[in-house]
Amino acid sequence: QVQLQESGPGLVKPSETLSLTCTVSGYSISSGYYWGWIRQPPGKGLEWIGSIYHSGNTYYNPSLKSRVTISVDTSKNQFSLKLRSVTAADTAVYYCARGILLDYWGQGTLVTVSS
Amino acid sequence: DIQMTQSPSTLSASVGDKITITCRASQSIATYLNWFQTKPGKAPKLLIYSAINLESGVPSRFSGGGSGTDFSLTISNLQPEDFATYFCQQSFSAPQAFGQGTKVEV
Repeated sequence: QVQLQESGPGLVKPSETLSLTCTVSGYSISSGYYWGWIRQPPGKGLEWIGSIYHSGNTYYNPSLKSRVTISVDTSKNQFSLKLRSVTAADTAVYYCARGILLDYWGQGTLVTVSS
Repeated sequence: DIQMTQSPSTLSASVGDKITITCRASQSIATYLNWFQTKPGKAPKLLIYSAINLESGVPSRFSGGGSGTDFSLTISNLQPEDFATYFCQQSFSAPQAFGQGTKVEV
């Protein structure tokens, strides 16, 4: 059974960098699929942030591209998200998910941007 | 970038009803259209992929249709557990935009 689990700080100060890691179990990232990040601000809709292939090929949402980096560590079966220069508008539940179809998701982690 | 527009934003229904949610893409996306169900505190769940294909384990009362720019999600015989928010999403090209969501409420 494929499982994904997000981890990282739940509180980030404005102007700092949000860093999250997604640990995958039940499937080897090296075997294929894109691996992505999606977020949902409180009371709002879903926003696709970007995705990465095991080879390192990435796609980012242009609205966030200047601040986002997604990386992969196949040795740990993990992929990560860094979002720089955060503001209150970046407060959201952040999800990691598998593939273009997003068929498996993590439970999500709430990240609040506040001083 | 491709924009996705869902309607209605809110839909009031009762158990046993048949409901339809529509999703329109700003340009043709063939059948690269997926539907998700979200509930508070839970991860989104893939229901339909490639416009018409039911994800494994999803009840057959859910069905999808459409191609090109116009798509639909139909739920027949609405069950209590179906009251949730539904999102369409295009997987034709990056960024894989979502619709704004449709809340199905009692």
